[in-house]
Amino acid sequence: DTGVSQNPRHKITKRGQNVTFRCDPISEHNRLYWYRQTLGQGPEFLTYFQNEAQLEKSRLLSDRFSAERPKGSFSTLEIQRTEQGDSAMYLCASSLDSATNEKLFFGSGTQLSVL
Amino acid sequence: DAKTTQPTSMDCAEGRAANLPCNHSTISGNEYVYWYRQIHSQGPQYIIHGLKNNETNEMASLIITEDRKSSTLILPHATLRDTAVYYCIVRVAGANNLFFGTGTRLTVIP
Repeated sequence: DTGVSQNPRHKITKRGQNVTFRCDPISEHNRLYWYRQTLGQGPEFLTYFQNEAQLEKSRLLSDRFSAERPKGSFSTLEIQRTEQGDSAMYLCASSLDSATNEKLFFGSGTQLSVL
Repeated sequence: DAKTTQPTSMDCAEGRAANLPCNHSTISGNEYVYWYRQIHSQGPQYIIHGLKNNETNEMASLIITEDRKSSTLILPHATLRDTAVYYCIVRVAGANNLFFGTGTRLTVIP
């Protein structure tokens, strides 16, 4: 069990550029979540996948945000035309589908700084 | 999902029990109580969850009141490494989301 892996750990970009983050979940986990966290706040839910299906995306912050999980394994989160307000920690979590005993395992996140 | 209310911050002496309260007065019958914690610069970590019975694992105990309107997370012997933000969350089992609040910042004092 290598845990949830997120890359890169840090990303610095200029306003207006596109950025993409990658999340590799724990290998047998079929559920995958993305969160955003700003300083002093709890993680903010963005989107959720079950296998390759994106079952919840109403919380994505704007149409500049999109996520994919093409083969039901790794996932990517893309932010187009970045703004300074997008600066935050982006967290990924994965879990096994278990109705009553689900435990989310989080990665260490990607810290985005938009200059 | 039902809302939760937690104190903003708490202190606990090293080696003593840390008791973290959570109010969830609007909890529904099919909602579980989950606790996660987040140590600085790391992703959140699952601690424990329960429906109505008290639960214990290697990390902590969860005490849920009989009316399920509140709960307490107990760390029996707090260490400095338990300093973290603790989140109490109520959630329908298997829901397509998990919503965090602002949590309780626990500081364990030497």
